[in-house]
Amino acid sequence: DAEITQSPRHKITETGRQVTLACHQTWNHNNMFWYRQDLGHGLRLIHYSYGVHDTNKGEVSDGYSVSRSNTEDLPLTLESAASSQTSVYFCASSESTVGTDTQYFGPGTRLTVL
Amino acid sequence: ILNVEQSPQSLHVQEGDSTNFTCSFPSSNFYALHWYRWETAKSPEALFVMTLNGDEKKKGRISATLNTKEGYSYLYIKGSQPEDSATYLCAFTGNYGQNFVFGPGTRLSVLP
Repeated sequence: DAEITQSPRHKITETGRQVTLACHQTWNHNNMFWYRQDLGHGLRLIHYSYGVHDTNKGEVSDGYSVSRSNTEDLPLTLESAASSQTSVYFCASSESTVGTDTQYFGPGTRLTVL
Repeated sequence: ILNVEQSPQSLHVQEGDSTNFTCSFPSSNFYALHWYRWETAKSPEALFVMTLNGDEKKKGRISATLNTKEGYSYLYIKGSQPEDSATYLCAFTGNYGQNFVFGPGTRLSVLP
């Protein structure tokens, strides 16, 4: 069965360190998204990609970067982790750019920055 | 930045009660509204996609309605069960592509 996985599921790091969160999907979807989930805010879009070598900034992109070298993977990098980046991070994918298309979510990564 | 709101923020009901909650979104440039069910420690799971004004969707005991002219959608759960306990998210998409704007969610707790 096609799926979307994230690793690690839990991560503790220190302020200033570089951290990379992995997202891998076997749906063969063109579109991939990274969200962060914070109390009172729901899911907020960090970065997204509509295909290989395409990346775009979302609502809360400062301090984050992504790269898309293949269809299956969209790693999210925190260049210099800050305590404000403590959150739960979700990756999602969808097949097309039509607004009715469902986004399928991974299980999430809980990141704590000390 | 688009604003999508949901109310109430949280809700506690007894098993067997019926309940409903609201998602409010911009009525201009509307394309679609998505509802997701999100259980603790799991991934959000798609429930409905709604596009037409007056649309009504149903899945078992859960149904949803859509009013695009006034910018709101209702989610109804009939005869709530403990397994319905979850956070219910709505997400708006406009005429600009696939990017979702999520509401903050309504957390439902169904007490046995």
